[in-house]
Amino acid sequence: AQSVTQPDIHITVSEGASLELRCNYSYGATPYLFWYVQSPGQGLQLLLKYFSGDTLVQGIKGFEAEFKRSQSSFNLRKPSVHWSDAAEYFCAVGAREGGSYIPTFGRGTSLIVHP
Amino acid sequence: DAGVTQSPTHLIKTRGQHVTLRCSPISGHKSVSWYQQVLGQGPQFIFQYYEKEERGRGNFPDRFSARQFPNYSSELNVNALLLGDSALYLCASSLETGPFYNEQFFGPGTRLTVL
Repeated sequence: AQSVTQPDIHITVSEGASLELRCNYSYGATPYLFWYVQSPGQGLQLLLKYFSGDTLVQGIKGFEAEFKRSQSSFNLRKPSVHWSDAAEYFCAVGAREGGSYIPTFGRGTSLIVHP
Repeated sequence: DAGVTQSPTHLIKTRGQHVTLRCSPISGHKSVSWYQQVLGQGPQFIFQYYEKEERGRGNFPDRFSARQFPNYSSELNVNALLLGDSALYLCASSLETGPFYNEQFFGPGTRLTVL
Protein backbone atom coordinates (compact mmCIF):
# COMPACT_ATOMS: atom_id res chain seq x y z
CA ALA A 1 0.00 0.00 0.00
CA GLN A 2 1.12 3.52 -0.68
CA SER A 3 2.08 5.95 2.07
CA VAL A 4 3.43 9.46 2.49
CA THR A 5 5.66 10.77 5.26
CA GLN A 6 6.04 14.44 6.04
CA PRO A 7 8.61 14.42 8.84
CA ASP A 8 8.18 18.04 9.90
CA ILE A 9 4.96 18.89 11.75
CA HIS A 10 5.84 22.58 11.97
CA ILE A 11 8.30 24.76 10.05
CA THR A 12 9.03 28.34 11.02
CA VAL A 13 10.74 30.73 8.61
CA SER A 14 11.23 34.46 8.36
CA GLU A 15 9.56 36.37 5.58
CA GLY A 16 11.91 36.52 2.61
CA ALA A 17 13.81 33.40 3.60
CA SER A 18 13.90 30.26 1.49
CA LEU A 19 11.72 27.26 2.26
CA GLU A 20 11.97 23.51 1.83
CA LEU A 21 9.24 21.12 2.99
CA ARG A 22 10.13 17.45 3.01
CA CYS A 23 8.06 14.59 1.65
CA ASN A 24 8.91 10.90 1.32
CA TYR A 25 6.61 8.39 -0.31
CA SER A 26 6.23 4.67 -0.60
CA TYR A 27 4.66 3.25 -3.74
CA GLY A 28 5.52 0.24 -5.87
CA ALA A 29 5.06 1.79 -9.29
CA THR A 30 5.82 5.17 -10.80
CA PRO A 31 3.89 7.53 -8.60
CA TYR A 32 1.71 10.48 -9.25
CA LEU A 33 2.84 13.06 -6.69
CA PHE A 34 1.12 16.21 -5.51
CA TRP A 35 1.52 19.14 -3.17
CA TYR A 36 -1.58 20.86 -1.81
CA VAL A 37 -1.97 23.92 0.39
CA GLN A 38 -4.77 24.48 2.89
CA SER A 39 -5.42 27.87 4.46
CA PRO A 40 -7.63 28.15 7.56
CA GLY A 41 -11.27 27.67 6.68
CA GLN A 42 -10.41 26.72 3.12
CA GLY A 43 -10.35 23.54 1.12
CA LEU A 44 -7.21 22.14 -0.42
CA GLN A 45 -5.63 23.90 -3.40
CA LEU A 46 -3.29 22.07 -5.77
CA LEU A 47 0.14 23.70 -5.90
CA LEU A 48 1.82 21.34 -8.35
CA LYS A 49 1.92 17.77 -9.56
CA TYR A 50 4.41 15.28 -11.00
CA PHE A 51 3.55 12.44 -13.35
CA SER A 52 6.64 11.87 -15.46
CA GLY A 53 9.34 13.70 -17.39
CA ASP A 54 11.32 16.59 -15.97
CA THR A 55 11.91 15.88 -12.30
CA LEU A 56 11.78 19.59 -11.38
CA VAL A 57 8.18 20.72 -11.40
CA GLN A 58 7.00 24.31 -11.33
CA GLY A 59 3.76 25.20 -9.62
CA ILE A 60 1.62 28.14 -8.69
CA LYS A 61 2.57 30.92 -6.26
CA GLY A 62 6.28 30.52 -7.00
CA PHE A 63 6.59 26.99 -5.63
CA GLU A 64 8.59 24.17 -7.17
CA ALA A 65 9.25 20.56 -6.24
CA GLU A 66 11.88 18.03 -7.21
CA PHE A 67 11.19 14.33 -7.67
CA LYS A 68 14.10 12.10 -6.62
CA ARG A 69 13.34 8.46 -7.31
CA SER A 70 16.49 7.19 -5.59
CA GLN A 71 15.45 8.89 -2.35
CA SER A 72 11.66 8.39 -2.77
CA SER A 73 11.30 12.09 -2.12
CA PHE A 74 9.31 14.98 -3.51
CA ASN A 75 10.37 18.06 -1.57
CA LEU A 76 8.64 21.41 -2.00
CA ARG A 77 10.70 24.59 -2.27
CA LYS A 78 10.23 28.31 -2.54
CA PRO A 79 13.14 30.78 -2.80
CA SER A 80 11.49 33.62 -0.87
CA VAL A 81 8.54 33.12 1.46
CA HIS A 82 5.76 35.68 1.82
CA TRP A 83 3.62 36.12 4.95
CA SER A 84 0.61 34.94 2.93
CA ASP A 85 2.29 31.53 2.47
CA ALA A 86 1.52 30.65 6.10
CA ALA A 87 -0.75 27.61 5.81
CA GLU A 88 -0.84 23.83 6.04
CA TYR A 89 0.94 21.94 3.27
CA PHE A 90 0.11 18.40 2.26
CA CYS A 91 2.07 16.02 0.10
CA ALA A 92 0.11 13.23 -1.58
CA VAL A 93 0.75 10.19 -3.74
CA GLY A 94 -1.90 9.13 -6.25
CA ALA A 95 -2.44 5.42 -6.55
CA ARG A 96 -4.88 3.44 -8.60
CA GLU A 97 -7.79 2.21 -6.47
CA GLY A 98 -10.67 0.37 -8.10
CA GLY A 99 -9.83 1.80 -11.51
CA SER A 100 -9.40 5.42 -10.42
CA TYR A 101 -6.53 7.41 -9.05
CA ILE A 102 -7.05 8.24 -5.37
CA PRO A 103 -4.60 10.47 -3.48
CA THR A 104 -3.12 9.33 -0.19
CA PHE A 105 -2.10 12.33 1.90
CA GLY A 106 0.65 12.87 4.42
CA ARG A 107 -0.20 14.35 7.80
CA GLY A 108 0.81 17.82 6.69
CA THR A 109 3.39 20.45 7.62
CA SER A 110 2.28 23.70 9.20
CA LEU A 111 4.24 26.68 7.88
CA ILE A 112 4.64 29.64 10.20
CA VAL A 113 6.06 32.84 8.74
CA HIS A 114 7.65 35.44 10.98
CA PRO A 115 7.79 39.08 9.82
CA ASP B 1 -17.84 30.09 -11.95
CA ALA B 2 -18.73 28.71 -8.56
CA GLY B 3 -16.38 26.20 -7.03
CA VAL B 4 -17.33 23.15 -5.04
CA THR B 5 -19.87 24.05 -2.39
CA GLN B 6 -20.64 22.15 0.79
CA SER B 7 -23.37 22.48 3.38
CA PRO B 8 -23.65 23.01 6.21
CA THR B 9 -20.43 24.80 7.14
CA HIS B 10 -20.51 23.62 10.74
CA LEU B 11 -22.54 20.98 12.51
CA ILE B 12 -22.78 19.79 16.10
CA LYS B 13 -24.28 16.39 16.87
CA THR B 14 -24.36 14.02 19.83
CA ARG B 15 -23.19 10.45 19.96
CA GLY B 16 -25.56 7.97 18.32
CA GLN B 17 -27.19 10.54 16.05
CA HIS B 18 -27.20 10.51 12.28
CA VAL B 19 -25.81 13.23 10.00
CA THR B 20 -26.12 14.12 6.32
CA LEU B 21 -23.56 16.30 4.58
CA ARG B 22 -24.12 17.77 1.13
CA CYS B 23 -21.87 18.66 -1.76
CA SER B 24 -22.43 20.39 -5.08
CA PRO B 25 -19.66 19.87 -7.64
CA ILE B 26 -18.31 22.37 -10.10
CA SER B 27 -20.62 22.71 -13.08
CA GLY B 28 -19.76 20.05 -15.65
CA HIS B 29 -17.97 17.79 -13.19
CA LYS B 30 -19.41 14.32 -12.96
CA SER B 31 -17.29 12.78 -10.21
CA VAL B 32 -17.42 13.52 -6.50
CA SER B 33 -15.11 12.23 -3.78
CA TRP B 34 -15.39 12.50 -0.01
CA TYR B 35 -12.55 12.78 2.50
CA GLN B 36 -12.34 12.88 6.28
CA GLN B 37 -9.72 15.15 7.82
CA VAL B 38 -9.21 14.64 11.53
CA LEU B 39 -7.49 17.51 13.33
CA GLY B 40 -3.76 17.32 12.84
CA GLN B 41 -3.95 14.76 10.04
CA GLY B 42 -4.16 14.75 6.28
CA PRO B 43 -7.42 14.00 4.46
CA GLN B 44 -8.38 10.33 4.28
CA PHE B 45 -10.35 8.99 1.34
CA ILE B 46 -13.90 7.77 2.09
CA PHE B 47 -15.79 7.42 -1.21
CA GLN B 48 -15.66 8.27 -4.88
CA TYR B 49 -18.74 8.45 -7.10
CA TYR B 50 -19.06 8.84 -10.84
CA GLU B 51 -22.31 8.98 -12.78
CA LYS B 52 -24.19 7.92 -9.62
CA GLU B 53 -22.11 4.79 -9.18
CA GLU B 54 -19.59 4.09 -6.44
CA ARG B 55 -16.14 3.84 -7.98
CA GLY B 56 -14.00 3.66 -4.88
CA ARG B 57 -14.28 3.14 -1.15
CA GLY B 58 -11.77 3.78 1.58
CA ASN B 59 -11.30 1.89 4.82
CA PHE B 60 -14.32 3.20 6.71
CA PRO B 61 -17.07 1.28 8.56
CA ASP B 62 -20.49 0.63 7.10
CA ARG B 63 -21.87 3.48 9.20
CA PHE B 64 -20.58 5.68 6.40
CA SER B 65 -22.56 5.76 3.16
CA ALA B 66 -22.96 8.12 0.25
CA ARG B 67 -24.90 8.63 -2.92
CA GLN B 68 -24.78 10.80 -6.00
CA PHE B 69 -27.82 12.34 -7.62
CA PRO B 70 -28.65 12.84 -11.32
CA ASN B 71 -27.47 16.45 -11.09
CA TYR B 72 -24.10 15.07 -9.80
CA SER B 73 -24.52 16.53 -6.33
CA SER B 74 -23.76 14.14 -3.51
CA GLU B 75 -24.64 13.32 0.09
CA LEU B 76 -22.47 11.70 2.73
CA ASN B 77 -24.38 9.97 5.53
CA VAL B 78 -22.95 8.84 8.82
CA ASN B 79 -25.03 6.75 11.24
CA ALA B 80 -24.55 6.09 14.93
CA LEU B 81 -22.07 8.91 15.36
CA LEU B 82 -19.01 8.36 17.53
CA LEU B 83 -16.78 10.95 19.15
CA GLY B 84 -14.06 9.91 16.71
CA ASP B 85 -16.19 11.02 13.77
CA SER B 86 -15.48 14.63 14.70
CA ALA B 87 -13.56 15.98 11.73
CA LEU B 88 -13.57 18.24 8.70
CA TYR B 89 -15.34 16.47 5.85
CA LEU B 90 -14.10 17.52 2.45
CA CYS B 91 -15.79 17.05 -0.87
CA ALA B 92 -13.85 17.17 -4.13
CA SER B 93 -15.12 17.14 -7.69
CA SER B 94 -13.46 16.25 -10.97
CA LEU B 95 -14.56 16.11 -14.58
CA GLU B 96 -14.67 12.35 -14.62
CA THR B 97 -12.83 9.39 -13.25
CA GLY B 98 -10.93 6.45 -14.61
CA PRO B 99 -7.50 4.90 -14.88
CA PHE B 100 -5.93 8.26 -15.58
CA TYR B 101 -5.50 11.45 -13.65
CA ASN B 102 -8.40 13.85 -13.20
CA GLU B 103 -7.60 16.89 -11.08
CA GLN B 104 -9.74 17.11 -7.98
CA PHE B 105 -11.05 20.50 -6.83
CA PHE B 106 -11.86 20.69 -3.15
CA GLY B 107 -14.66 22.44 -1.34
CA PRO B 108 -14.18 24.30 1.97
CA GLY B 109 -15.48 21.38 3.99
CA THR B 110 -18.07 20.76 6.70
CA ARG B 111 -16.79 20.85 10.27
CA LEU B 112 -18.58 18.12 12.24
CA THR B 113 -18.34 18.07 16.02
CA VAL B 114 -19.72 15.07 17.90
CA LEU B 115 -20.36 15.59 21.61
